[in-house]
Amino acid sequence: QVQLVESGGGLVKPGGSLRLSCAASGFTFSDYYMSWIRQAPGKGLEWVSYISSSGSTIYYADSVKGRFTISRDNAKNSLYLQMNSLRAEDTAVYYCARWYGAFDIWGQGTMVTVSS
Amino acid sequence: QSALTQPASVSGSPGQSITISCTGTSSDVGSYNLVSWYQQHPGKAPKLMIYEGSKRPSGVSNRFSGSKSGNTASLTISGLQAEDEADYYCCSYAGSSTGVFGGGTKLTVL
Repeated sequence: QVQLVESGGGLVKPGGSLRLSCAASGFTFSDYYMSWIRQAPGKGLEWVSYISSSGSTIYYADSVKGRFTISRDNAKNSLYLQMNSLRAEDTAVYYCARWYGAFDIWGQGTMVTVSS
Repeated sequence: QSALTQPASVSGSPGQSITISCTGTSSDVGSYNLVSWYQQHPGKAPKLMIYEGSKRPSGVSNRFSGSKSGNTASLTISGLQAEDEADYYCCSYAGSSTGVFGGGTKLTVL
């Protein structure tokens, strides 16, 4: 079945780094744009980053620009988010989602906690 | 870009209809037919309920409908059921590969 599974979350100190992964299955990954969306505890959804099917177009929210890097490996059906210089305000559940005019498929999310 | 504006909460009794508004600008909601709505139950991932303003994905009840007028999109849920109690988020494409979510609306079924 169509599925996205995130991994890589955890507890990290301010200023630290973390790499999130999202494994896709059940569809032709290379045909779709993909995104990372986050949700801070008790808060709403925030569109963090976005990558085109080929990887040639990339977007970052201002809140993460210069610190986060999105990438994908179509041969491995995988999406990544490299997060550097992490701050307390980056604490959130991070979801990967497939974009096809809307976010039609979501992963279960992975929790990232930035705290000393 | 600023978040789309949604009411913080709405409520209704079983069987009633409710409407959740989502107000943006001429740069997002008003410019693109790419407004989508998501339902999120506590501790769960969001689920797509409406896309392209008014289309329902396969498997979504026809009690859910969407519309748009100018810079405001709306989600209507008819025949409210207890399981509809959840948070609802709108989202709009905003051009240049960017997008923006609404702040979310908590629906309480009384």
